[in-house]
Amino acid sequence: DAKTTQPNSMESNEEEPVHLPCNHSTISGTDYIHWYRQLPSQGPEYVIHGLTSNVNNRMASLAIAEDRKSSTLILHRATLRDAAVYYCILSNSGYALNFGKGTSLLVTP
Amino acid sequence: NAGVTQTPKFQVLKTGQSMTLQCAQDMNHNSMYWYRQDPGMGLRLIYYSASEGTTDKGEVPNGYNVSRLNKREFSLRLESAAPSQTSVYFCASSEGPLKNEQFFGPGTRLTVL
Repeated sequence: DAKTTQPNSMESNEEEPVHLPCNHSTISGTDYIHWYRQLPSQGPEYVIHGLTSNVNNRMASLAIAEDRKSSTLILHRATLRDAAVYYCILSNSGYALNFGKGTSLLVTP
Repeated sequence: NAGVTQTPKFQVLKTGQSMTLQCAQDMNHNSMYWYRQDPGMGLRLIYYSASEGTTDKGEVPNGYNVSRLNKREFSLRLESAAPSQTSVYFCASSEGPLKNEQFFGPGTRLTVL
């Protein structure tokens, strides 16, 4: 599976939008882009996924670059509860989700 | 719905002891997974079961065995625990292959002395 690159950490103020970037320059045409997050001392939680088009759900939006070599997870209004590690994951085959180290998001009041 | 449940929540073992981690899901999912997470790291797949009656190795299967007991339950067994197996273990389930989201349990924190 192709590799993703994310910043180690990011900081945001509460109630402001957050843009979490992910680079995946070696993505293949059939790779899905998945985002999960892990709150402290909990199991990972699905956030959103997409293939080519931008996606919205109740938690977040996923903006996918036209060449698909990067994507951005957008939290529209960060809350303290959104402080977590966010994982950007690619996969197109098998069943495994290959978690890297992700981006640790700090939200300050 | 309880989602994915795991037992026990915490466990301390001595080197060489054996134990089984239990996982159950009530979402009628076909696929189930076992991951481990070491401190400061992402999750790594140990084993998975694509459907009832099948199991396959993941990235780090050595030292573990699994059983897909039925559609609901997927257990992970450590036959002879080693300190290197100290980790947090997560079970997950999904309807099927990757474009379906995986739902994770709360984890089992295992320490091997």
